[in-house]
Amino acid sequence: AQKVTQAQTEISVVEKEDVTLDCVYETRDTTYYLFWYKQPPSGELVFLIRRNSFDEQNEISGRYSWNFQKSTSSFNFTITASQVVDSAVYFCALSEANFGNEKLTFGTGTRLTIIP
Amino acid sequence: DAGVIQSPRHEVTEMGQEVTLRCKPISGHDYLFWYRQTMMRGLELLIYFNNNVPIDDSGMPEDRFSAKMPNASFSTLKIQPSEPRDSAVYFCASSLGRSLGNTEAFFGQGTRLTVV
Repeated sequence: AQKVTQAQTEISVVEKEDVTLDCVYETRDTTYYLFWYKQPPSGELVFLIRRNSFDEQNEISGRYSWNFQKSTSSFNFTITASQVVDSAVYFCALSEANFGNEKLTFGTGTRLTIIP
Repeated sequence: DAGVIQSPRHEVTEMGQEVTLRCKPISGHDYLFWYRQTMMRGLELLIYFNNNVPIDDSGMPEDRFSAKMPNASFSTLKIQPSEPRDSAVYFCASSLGRSLGNTEAFFGQGTRLTVV
């Protein structure tokens, strides 16, 4: 069975600080996909990134970066120089690559508050 | 593309009434998902379709819930009769599917259901 754990329920940082959101996953599959989604106060779920299990390269997109480490089953998300607009709930999710299995299993989310 | 469109955005109904939630996926996407978000249970998958066919409905809570996808551009989630514990935000999402190299699901803005 697949499982995603986001141990940090809530994080608050002062604007311009860096912050890392942790994500640990469990799966029996050797092929799988990991995702991060953002849920701002308006409520929609916004796709941020997808990473497949074959690709352990870290990714950077502007102030966002992701660190994928299969050895520790982690897929952590770092926001550099945080801004108030980054305040949201962030979800990590996992999809196993079983034939026909396209469903996402979400973590419980981390509520990030950026203090001006 | 306008993205995934859900209606209504908000629904308040009395216990025992029938509720129908609607979703229009992104054109060309052949997977459609219904998720429910509550404080207690987080984001949980209810059912998903591939090419209009239900693939996995193991998350549907009970017989009061039913979902249909009569064509590639429309799906409904029906609750009959509704109960207060059904109060949640219901999200519809769609994706191209892994066979086409994209696995990320794009979400609608959700329907906030309140059953009183």
